[in-house]
Amino acid sequence: GIQVEQSPPDLILQEGANSTLRCNFSDSVNNLQWFHQNPWGQLINLFYIPSGTKQNGRLSATTVATERYSLLYISSSQTTDSGVYFCAVFNDMRFGAGTRLTVKP
Amino acid sequence: EPEVTQTPSHQVTQMGQEVILRCVPISNHLYFYWYRQILGQKVEFLVSFYNNEISEKSEIFDDQFSVERPDGSNFTLKIRSTKLEDSAMYFCASSAWAGGHYEQFFGPGTRLTVL
Repeated sequence: GIQVEQSPPDLILQEGANSTLRCNFSDSVNNLQWFHQNPWGQLINLFYIPSGTKQNGRLSATTVATERYSLLYISSSQTTDSGVYFCAVFNDMRFGAGTRLTVKP
Repeated sequence: EPEVTQTPSHQVTQMGQEVILRCVPISNHLYFYWYRQILGQKVEFLVSFYNNEISEKSEIFDDQFSVERPDGSNFTLKIRSTKLEDSAMYFCASSAWAGGHYEQFFGPGTRLTVL
């Protein structure tokens, strides 16, 4: 099956800082999503992004399918951005292990 | 905005008991899924369901698990005889087929605690 690796595993930021989260995958994909798991455990859809670039407010994502990676950018981070960010490759129904983001005031 | 709903939000049960977790997918979606997440671990795929039958299942989805779409709106996951290791968050998801690509929308989850 497709391997999905996320980095870094943990990230601590000061409020207002920018960050980049990475998702590497081992084979071609055409279904990739980013999620934010909030402190209550809910999985919030961020982006459906099998290729290209999308932006939604302070968040943006880029997937370079030919090079087998996707990036999630968070700009001007806020404490409410804290939680775990997962990428998921639904060609193979696989989630990465996640990046735990902590934003400090 | 349409959303996937799940009930109950939290279920506590005794080992060996049967539990049924319920989901109402987005109304025009055709594909339904169950995932689980053991505390602190990654989300794992259990099963996908289309046209009233299982289309794919993982190794986790053994004979203790079953899924059903009993009517036009509900999608259920049954665990026949719960074990301690079944304690996890269970997520239901649904998707519409759109030209070979599909975005999955997740419900808020049911936290199952087996004592």
